[in-house]
Parts: sequence; C-alpha cells; structure tokens
Amino acid sequence: AQSVTQPDIHITVSEGASLELRCNYSYGATPYLFWYVQSPGQGLQLLLKYFSGDTLVQGIKGFEAEFKRSQSSFNLRKPSVHWSDAAEYFCAVVINTNAGKSTFGDGTTLTVKP
Amino acid sequence: NAGVTQTPKFQVLKTGQSMTLQCAQDMNHNSMYWYRQDPGMGLRLIYYSASEGTTDKGEVPNGYNVSRLNKREFSLRLESAAPSQTSVYFCASSEDGSRAFFGQGTRLTVV
Repeated sequence: AQSVTQPDIHITVSEGASLELRCNYSYGATPYLFWYVQSPGQGLQLLLKYFSGDTLVQGIKGFEAEFKRSQSSFNLRKPSVHWSDAAEYFCAVVINTNAGKSTFGDGTTLTVKP
Repeated sequence: NAGVTQTPKFQVLKTGQSMTLQCAQDMNHNSMYWYRQDPGMGLRLIYYSASEGTTDKGEVPNGYNVSRLNKREFSLRLESAAPSQTSVYFCASSEDGSRAFFGQGTRLTVV
C-alpha cells in the first residue's frame, strides 16, 4: 500500500543544535514531496517542496530537504534550531496531480530545549 | 488576502445532531479537500473535489457528505454526529497538486 512514514513521533533538540526529521515514502514513481509545519492551534504552512531537478531544496525559515531516490526519502534539515521552530512537522506526497490529493505522514513533534 | 476560510472555528455537538462545516477559497483553485486531524494520525482525507461539480471519497468518508457548491465553496456535512467524529477538521485547496493551502481548522467536539 502507498504510504508516507515519519519514523520519529517526537524529537527534542537544544537551541542552536542541528536538526534532521526523517520521511520515507512508498510509491512506484517519484511523487511530488512536501514538508509542512503546524504551530499549535494553527493550520499547516508549507516549508518547501520538491517536484524535480536539484535534489536539495531550500525552504523558508532556513530549512532544507534532500530527496534521495535510492532511499525513497525526503529528510528535512536545519543547521541551527531556534526556539520558535518548536511545532509539529508533516511530510506529504502528491501522486495524482489531476486531483492533487496529499497523503500525509503521522507527523513529528519538535521540542526545543533552551 | 484571505486564502482558505473555514467556519466555524469551534463547535460542540450532541450525539445525533447534524451540522455543516463551511469552507471557501479565493484563489480560483480547482481542487478542494476536507481532512481530519487526530493525535498521532496525521491528516486523513475525508472527501475531495477535483473540480466544480465533482466530489470523491477519500480515506475516511463514512459519516460525512460534501457539496461543491461552486468553485469557491466546499462544505462538509455531518448528518448524525458521533463521538468518533470529534476531531480537528481542515479544509484545503490546490491547483494541479503544486501545493495545498490550508484553512485554520475547525475544532469539533461531539458529546
């Protein structure tokens, strides 16, 4: 079955430390790939997306993600985490651009220690 | 620059009551979606509409109905609410799957 997996339910990092959030997908072809962030009580905001081309994509707020076809992964990274990055992060894929349905991972909650 | 607007933001229903969640987008997008978000389960697609006049079931459609009233509006109806439908509901829209724009969500509690 098609799926998106975020292996880490909860991650805690110290402010200023680096961050990597993992995402794996299982689809036959390369889907469109997205990372969204959700602050408490808010909707989802797009951080970055990958459609094709350069496998390292830059997003907002200093985030980047790398697509690795061989590993079916699209991991999110940030070199230095800020306290305001504490939120829930969702990886998502779109495989049918006609309808544009997104399939989401279960999310990773990021806690930032001072 | 409203984007996707959902109403209401909060709602408490008694079991068996009905209600409609409203959603409107001002970006002229063809596709609209309703998701529910439950702790530890990410967002699950309830229904979607790929274009005006069409609707299709998503992953968890049971207990819900939708109406794509026009290109702007996509409503979600609970005919007989159940406690299992307690959740946060998000409406979203997109154009050709490029990305989804989300509303702020409706927090629904069924008692």
